[in-house]
Amino acid sequence: DQQVKQNSPSLSVQEGRISILNCDYTNSMFDYFLWYKKYPAEGPTFLISISSIKDKNEDGRFTVFLNKSAKHLSLHIVPSQPGDSAVYFCAASVSPPGNMLTFGGGTRLMVKP
Amino acid sequence: DGGITQSPKYLFRKEGQNVTLSCEQNLNHDAMYWYRQDPGQGLRLIYYSQIVNDFQKGDIAEGYSVSREKKESFPLTVTSAQKNPTAFYLCASKKDPLVPISGANVLTFGAGSRLTVL
Repeated sequence: DQQVKQNSPSLSVQEGRISILNCDYTNSMFDYFLWYKKYPAEGPTFLISISSIKDKNEDGRFTVFLNKSAKHLSLHIVPSQPGDSAVYFCAASVSPPGNMLTFGGGTRLMVKP
Repeated sequence: DGGITQSPKYLFRKEGQNVTLSCEQNLNHDAMYWYRQDPGQGLRLIYYSQIVNDFQKGDIAEGYSVSREKKESFPLTVTSAQKNPTAFYLCASKKDPLVPISGANVLTFGAGSRLTVL
């Protein structure tokens, strides 16, 4: 039973437009959410995060929105660039004890020039 | 530059053989983790260690073993008991296992090792 789901396995966007990647979770105990970006044959790299006490966090072209009532978060990339083409993983954690990250299945983003 | 080094990058194994994947970090991180990635699935936790000489099973530990004799090293052995070992394996570390995950205390990943069973 996946506690973190990314229902879109892939997304194709034109360069310059907005990319919206979605993530749903079922565990109401999750209190911290992260997005990781992964290129082929490389490890994931941390992109942006949000605490459950916030509903939005912005870092340059990347914005993460959290809707706790819907147990949904999204990552917006504006404007999208070809270098953004990668697999994006949503992850969630519960504060101690444990501190483990639960990952979604990933969404492959393709930004076309 | 500090980071996590995983080796080998690619590994082929015959059925029935044990193989060991190496993970070394020079970040002075206390906690280390092993994840497995399969196509279309999220990263699943195999084992983790918060301190030297101590480690805990993750969600899918069956068929795997680890050791943590040094702070810098956390090798993973894929045993013959693992029925479906072909996957991409990722090692990660975190500075302080007791501090909540945050933007300043995130998991740092290695580049991964791809294991294929022939």
